[in-house]
Amino acid sequence: GQNIDQPTEMTATEGAIVQINCTYQTSGFNGLFWYQQHAGEAPTFLSYNVLDGLEEKGRFSSFLSRSKGYSYLLLKELQMKDSASYLCAVRDNDYKLSFGAGTTVTVRA
Amino acid sequence: IAGITQAPTSQILAAGRRMTLRCTQDMRHNAMYWYRQDLGLGLRLIHYSNTAGTTGKGEVPDGYSVSRANTDDFPLTLASAVPSQTSVYFCASSEKFTGADTQYFGPGTRLTVL
Repeated sequence: GQNIDQPTEMTATEGAIVQINCTYQTSGFNGLFWYQQHAGEAPTFLSYNVLDGLEEKGRFSSFLSRSKGYSYLLLKELQMKDSASYLCAVRDNDYKLSFGAGTTVTVRA
Repeated sequence: IAGITQAPTSQILAAGRRMTLRCTQDMRHNAMYWYRQDLGLGLRLIHYSNTAGTTGKGEVPDGYSVSRANTDDFPLTLASAVPSQTSVYFCASSEKFTGADTQYFGPGTRLTVL
């Protein structure tokens, strides 16, 4: 089976930086996705990594190391609206997505 | 453009009843998916469809069936609901099943089986 681990909860202050780690052990690898999900809403796409390195998109960046089975999502200049769950998902050899349980980020004023 | 719509928004169902959750997309995406989301477990794939006319099993297919008669619709049926099927169900779609295509999610259906 697939194993994707990420912390359950993180708390940070408005304006700060938070790094959400994700480690994975899956049957093959065809890309890693990060999604944001606000309470009671659908997940929405944030980023995609398939090659090693950092992908930057505004305040959000995502990093991948395939040899270490590791990724992180970096959220900079935190805003209250960033309070949400962040889901790490890995696409396996069969192109199916397996999701981690999600990391709930709470931004405090 | 509506994207992906799901119906109903929520439903309370007696155990043993049959229930179909509806999912429609207007993006002409080839691939569609059904997930369930439970607290502490994250999203789990129930069934998927690469393209109209084909379906496949995901991680937790037991107790569920799907059909893909056309590109736009991908209904999920619970033949005889059980309390363990209480969950939030999300339908998703992507342009292709393979490649770097992002999956877009519908608003979800909250199902309670008593």
